[in-house]
Amino acid sequence: NAGVTQTPKFQVLKTGQSMTLQCAQDMNHEYMSWYRQDPGMGLRLIHYSVGAGITDQGEVPNGYNVSRSTTEDFPLRLLSAAPSQTSVYFCASRYGGSSYNEQFFGPGTRLTVL
Amino acid sequence: DAKTTQPNSMESNEEEPVHLPCNHSTISGTDYIHWYRQLPSQGPEYVIHGLTSNVNNRMASLAIAEDRKSSTLILHRATLRDAAVYYCILRSAGGTSYGKLTFGQGTILTVHP
Repeated sequence: NAGVTQTPKFQVLKTGQSMTLQCAQDMNHEYMSWYRQDPGMGLRLIHYSVGAGITDQGEVPNGYNVSRSTTEDFPLRLLSAAPSQTSVYFCASRYGGSSYNEQFFGPGTRLTVL
Repeated sequence: DAKTTQPNSMESNEEEPVHLPCNHSTISGTDYIHWYRQLPSQGPEYVIHGLTSNVNNRMASLAIAEDRKSSTLILHRATLRDAAVYYCILRSAGGTSYGKLTFGQGTILTVHP
């Protein structure tokens, strides 16, 4: 298994540009989520999904959209990038059922917005 | 979500045991105690979790106080590869929380050769 994969690894955007961060998992996990991590901080939940076709907002959803058309993929869209969105973005997935199941994290996408 | 308190940083020597404390005085009966760690420039990885009893796995041990208001992650023999930020997280087993992870700032563990 490749686990959780994220592309790109690095990205530089100009203010106002849009882009999509890709996340895929090959473990048939029901739950997927996106976090952001600012320097020296812990991770904060942006959006999550409990299955294909079902998404919901996390702690810091503004400026981001998600959709989940398949079990495997959970892309994160930045609608109009702002410098405040400069961060490292992590995608995660886990089995459904018991909420204590461990989460598997991807390697992250480092985004800089100029 | 119930809050956890961890020291900002700790240091250890290689091959010595490390005890990483976590206080969670407002823990509820359905909260599991999870530990994740984040190595430099990587995503977090699961270490261990428990509810009431002490737990062991290949990576670490988790000692949970009888009143569950604190816990300790034990690395039995620290290696240089254990240098990371360690997060203690309470995770509800039910309700509408989806079991999401709420990360604090964690403890930065430095391991000296």
